[in-house]
Amino acid sequence: DQQVKQNSPSLSVQEGRISILNCDYTNSMFDYFLWYKKYPAEGPTFLISISSIKDKNEDGRFTVFLNKSAKHLSLHIVPSQPGDSAVYFCAASDRTGANNLFFGTGTRLTVIP
Amino acid sequence: DGGITQSPKYLFRKEGQNVTLSCEQNLNHDAMYWYRQDPGQGLRLIYYSQIVNDFQKGDIAEGYSVSREKKESFPLTVTSAQKNPTAFYLCASKRGRTAEAFFGQGTRLTVV
Repeated sequence: DQQVKQNSPSLSVQEGRISILNCDYTNSMFDYFLWYKKYPAEGPTFLISISSIKDKNEDGRFTVFLNKSAKHLSLHIVPSQPGDSAVYFCAASDRTGANNLFFGTGTRLTVIP
Repeated sequence: DGGITQSPKYLFRKEGQNVTLSCEQNLNHDAMYWYRQDPGQGLRLIYYSQIVNDFQKGDIAEGYSVSREKKESFPLTVTSAQKNPTAFYLCASKRGRTAEAFFGQGTRLTVV
């Protein structure tokens, strides 16, 4: 059963606009969340993370929002650039678990010049 | 330059053969992981190891085996028992629970 879900397989955005990628989770024991970016035939690279004690974390053009009551997080990219085109994975860590990361299925972002 | 290295980048295997994928890290991380990615799917956990000489099955361990004899190394063997081995394999390491995982560049395995 998928504990981390990304329901939008793809998203297209105009360059300069905001990209919003969404992620839902079911496990209430998740307390640390991460976003990764992945290009084809490469390993994912870490983008940004957020602890469950916060509801927002910002790093440059990237902001992650966490809504614990809704078990939902989102990644905002402003402004979007063509180089942001990639697959974005949401991941979560379980406070009771064995230091593992649970990944969503990914959202392919295309930024149109 | 610290990092995690997977080799080879591309690997072809005949049906019925075992094959071993290499993963080495010099980040001094205790935890290491193997994931598999298939088209349109997320990263699924095959095996993980929190310390040397110890490893645990992930969600899709059937047909795979691992060893962790050194902190730096976590090789994955894809055995002939794995029914659908063609996939992109990713190795990762992690310092602690609330820390990001660092990934290698991946190995694409194709069964011919």
